[in-house]
Parts: sequence; C-alpha cells; structure tokens
Amino acid sequence: AQSVAQPEDQVNVAEGNPLTVKCTYSVSGNPYLFWYVQYPNRGLQFLLKYITGDNLVKGSYGFEAEFNKSQTSFHLKKPSALVSDSALYFCAVSPTMNNNAGNMLTFGGGTRLMVKP
Amino acid sequence: GAGVSQTPSNKVTEKGKYVELRCDPISGHTALYWYRQSLGQGPEFLIYFQGTGAADDSGLPNDRFFAVRPEGSVSTLKIQRTERGDSAVYLCASSLGSSGANVLTFGAGSRLTVL
Repeated sequence: AQSVAQPEDQVNVAEGNPLTVKCTYSVSGNPYLFWYVQYPNRGLQFLLKYITGDNLVKGSYGFEAEFNKSQTSFHLKKPSALVSDSALYFCAVSPTMNNNAGNMLTFGGGTRLMVKP
Repeated sequence: GAGVSQTPSNKVTEKGKYVELRCDPISGHTALYWYRQSLGQGPEFLIYFQGTGAADDSGLPNDRFFAVRPEGSVSTLKIQRTERGDSAVYLCASSLGSSGANVLTFGAGSRLTVL
C-alpha cells in the first residue's frame, strides 16, 4: 500500500523569502505525484504533478516541485513567497501500475503554510 | 457545469439518522471519486466510479456507507444510521479519464456534523 508523509504541520516564512514544503512517499513501482492547495471553505485545487520525464516540475502560481527518486521525495518550492500563498498544502501519490484502473490518490496529512508580511 | 458541485454545503443531523450527499461532476468526466476529510487530516479515499459502476469501493468504512451513480453523471453518497464519528467533510472529485495521471478536480465539499 502507498503512503505519503508531510513531516511539518506548519511552515512559516516571510514574504519574499523562498519556501519549501516537504513530502516523502512510499509506493510500489513508479509513482505519479501531485500537489494540491486548499483555501478555507474551498475545495482542493491542483497545483502540479509529476508523471515522467524532467524531475523539476513547474505548476500554477509560480510553484515548482522536484522529484527525487533516490530519496523518494517530492518537495514543493517557490522562490519568493506571497502572503496570498498562505493555505493548506497536500501532497498525494498514486502508483503507475494502476494504469487505467482509476486514480485513487493517497494524500499526506497536509502542511499549513503561513507567509507573514 | 464549470466545476464540481456538491450539495448540501453543510448538513447537521442527529445520531442514527439517514443522510444523502450529492455530487454533480464536470460534464463529460467519466471518473468520479468520493473522499472523506476529517479535521486536521488529509482526504481519505472512499469509492471510485467509472461510468455507472463502482469500480473500487475499498475505502468505504462499513456497510452503513453506500454510493450510487445511476446515469453515469450525478452521484449520491448515502450514510445510514449516522454516528458521531461520521462527522467530516465529504469531498467529491471527477476526472476526464481513469488513468493515474489524470488530474482530479474537487468540489468544495459537504460538511457533515452528527450530533
């Protein structure tokens, strides 16, 4: 069975500074990896995904993530944080071996990002 | 519609009552998923539909939970004899296909409170 760990419940960063939100995963075979963001009283919004190819993936709102197979990590990064980036961030994984049997994502517990002015 | 629509947005019920939660996916999306998000946790998979059939219901916690999608579009999650532990936000998501690479688009969720 697959699992995702987000070791930090909360990350605090000053506006304009770089941010990193950590994610490690465990899955049989190769993974599909996703980051979603959740704002209060709103649904999860897709940020970016890793499927194959280049290990550095760029997504919405200036976010990017780096797939590291040897460390089984997929950390979310942004060069310069904005106050409006403050939200709850979720990392998720699904095994590629599912092929077309559905995308039953396994989510991490979430990391709250607080960007202070 | 433009997005995934879930109703009601909030539901308060008493222990032992029956509850239905509705999901209207993005038009044309054949895959539909239900997740449950308890306070302070990530979403947990409940059930996946491909078309009208439940392709994977391995996440349903017990036989009090049931979901249908009779015409391959709108889905209803049904909870019988609700318990206080069922209190959570129930999220619905849809995607264009059933590949693991497909992006899931989530609704805003239905917050269920069982008193």
